[in-house]
Amino acid sequence: DVKVTQSSRYLVKRTGEKVFLECVQDMDHENMFWYRQDPGLGLRLIYFSYDVKMKEKGDIPEGYSVSREKKERFSLILESASTNQTSMYLCASSLRSFDRRTPNTEAFFGQGTRLTVV
Amino acid sequence: AQRVTQPEKLLSVFKGAPVELKCNYSYSGSPELFWYVQYSRQRLQLLLRHISRESIKGFTADLNKGETSFHLKKPFAQEEDSAMYYCALRAAGNKLTFGGGTRVLVKP
Repeated sequence: DVKVTQSSRYLVKRTGEKVFLECVQDMDHENMFWYRQDPGLGLRLIYFSYDVKMKEKGDIPEGYSVSREKKERFSLILESASTNQTSMYLCASSLRSFDRRTPNTEAFFGQGTRLTVV
Repeated sequence: AQRVTQPEKLLSVFKGAPVELKCNYSYSGSPELFWYVQYSRQRLQLLLRHISRESIKGFTADLNKGETSFHLKKPFAQEEDSAMYYCALRAAGNKLTFGGGTRVLVKP
């Protein structure tokens, strides 16, 4: 059974704190993603990593950074948490492929971390 | 840049009625398209992938490159289809972009 595991299900942090969200996958996937999920806005990509130490900004990277020191682990960092970062955060992983015929290229998701910044 | 648009935030249908969820995309290359579903209290999961051309749980989706659409259809909705549905586009570099989502409510 494939697994993407996020370290926390719920987090409450104070404004200005540095926050770490951790994600681990056991499928040996090259690609890993961080999204935030907000009602009416769907899933918005924060950062994408396609290899260890490699990253690419998504659509809403401001106020966030990421770390990928090992293939299986992808961390999202809120440098100084603000109330507008209260959200559900989803981590995902997928196989890296440049051939559309490659099977099983779908993303697998973690259970989500609901972060509240007060 | 890639973009996915789902124009309906909510679709409410009666059991046994057809349901169609719209998805439009913009992308300069050749896209790979997916539909994902999130049932209540469950994690997001793949429903179907355009290149597989298969029917999953009675749902089908056809990629129309001329209209840049990938609408999801089911001829007879069931109560267990009530969920949040997301259309997604995977670009050549493997970046995965989602639409805003459509909540489907199937009434008995």
